[in-house]
Order: sequence, then C-alpha cells, then structure tokens
Amino acid sequence: KAGVTQTPRYLIKTRGQQVTLSCSPISGHRSVSWYQQTPGQGLQFLFEYFSETQRNKGNFPGRFSGRQFSNSRSEMNVSTLELGDSALYLCASSTYARTQHNEQFFGPGTRLTVL
Amino acid sequence: SQQGEEDPQALSIQEGENATMNCSYKTSINNLQWYRQNSGRGLVHLILIRSNEREKHSGRLRVTLDTSKKSSSLLITASRAADTASYFCATVRHSGSARQLTFGSGTQLTVLP
Repeated sequence: KAGVTQTPRYLIKTRGQQVTLSCSPISGHRSVSWYQQTPGQGLQFLFEYFSETQRNKGNFPGRFSGRQFSNSRSEMNVSTLELGDSALYLCASSTYARTQHNEQFFGPGTRLTVL
Repeated sequence: SQQGEEDPQALSIQEGENATMNCSYKTSINNLQWYRQNSGRGLVHLILIRSNEREKHSGRLRVTLDTSKKSSSLLITASRAADTASYFCATVRHSGSARQLTFGSGTQLTVLP
C-alpha cells in the first residue's frame, strides 16, 4: 500500500496570506489527524477527522481549520498567516476503531515558512 | 499542550551500546506509543504498549510501562548509527469517539560510529 502523502512538501508564504495543505491517507484508512511541529512547542495536535466530521480539536485558534472529503482525503487551511505559524505540519492516518489499537501512520510533512 | 516530558533531552552513545529513554505523562491513558523521527521528516511508529501491559519487545526495542508512576521507558539494544533520530512517546486517551495523540518533548539520540 502507498503511504500517507502530503502536498506540497515545502511552502513559503508571507504574513497575512492563507494556505491550504493536503493529505491523502493510506487506502482504507478513514481517520486523518493533523499535527503541528515547532522547535518551541514540539508536536501539537490540531484536529482529527473521520467520515468527513471533525471528531476532536486541539487548542489552536479559529484561523486553523480543516475538512475531510468522502474519499478520506483531508485538507487543512490556515488563514491570516503569522510568523509563528512556520512549522512542519504532519498528517497521520489510521483505521478508525473503538479499540485501544491506535497506531497512526504519518506522512512526510509539509514545511511551511511564513516570511 | 504536551502530555509530559522525555528524559534525557539528548543522548549520545557509541555504536553497540544500549540507549534508554524515559517518558513521563500526566493523565490516565489507554495506551502509549513510541515514534521515531529522522531529521525534519515524518514520524515512524515503533511500538505500542497498552495500559494493562507492563513490558513489550519488538526486535531490538524493549518498552516498559508503569502506570502507577505514569512513566515509560524505551530501550534500544546494540544501537547502530542508523538509530540516530529523535524519539517521541505519545499517549492516547479515548474520550467518547474522539482520540488524539499527545506527544512528549522527545529525546534526540545520536549514535556515533
């Protein structure tokens, strides 16, 4: 099976712009989660989607949003970019089940730089 | 916010030696997972240990979990240069239908040839 893919891999934007990142999960995986990784804050959970519904949201401002499509592909959007949004954005997919087995498979990430 | 801390923050050892990393967390969990990240790349899942398990092995990896102390350790035996990476523990709490991974701050492991 192909792994989790994220596009684009690198992105440079300026303050005030908005950006959309895309994630294609592993075939058959219906849950997609997004994480932000920065040197200062480490890895932080943004949100999780399953069946086109946001199931869980981290502690991020409303400028961060996402959605999931019927084919499980997901996008996240950041509006009115700030310098502090520069980070590696990681997407992870997993099979969704009400069990404790919750291995997540991560994509390579999108490196966003805000100038 | 991060669930807990990892210790040490950085570890440098010689090839062939064992590496031990520790993770502490704050709340009750369903399971704990360890991930590896090579510089600036995505995370790779290494091993998962359930809250009712105390020890688990996978190849050169050994994970222990002490829920009474809210801590876990990852042991890599006979380390190799290719093991150089950042290692993160992540805890999972199930809340209704929602799940999320909460990561520790990570340990940067350098294995010198």
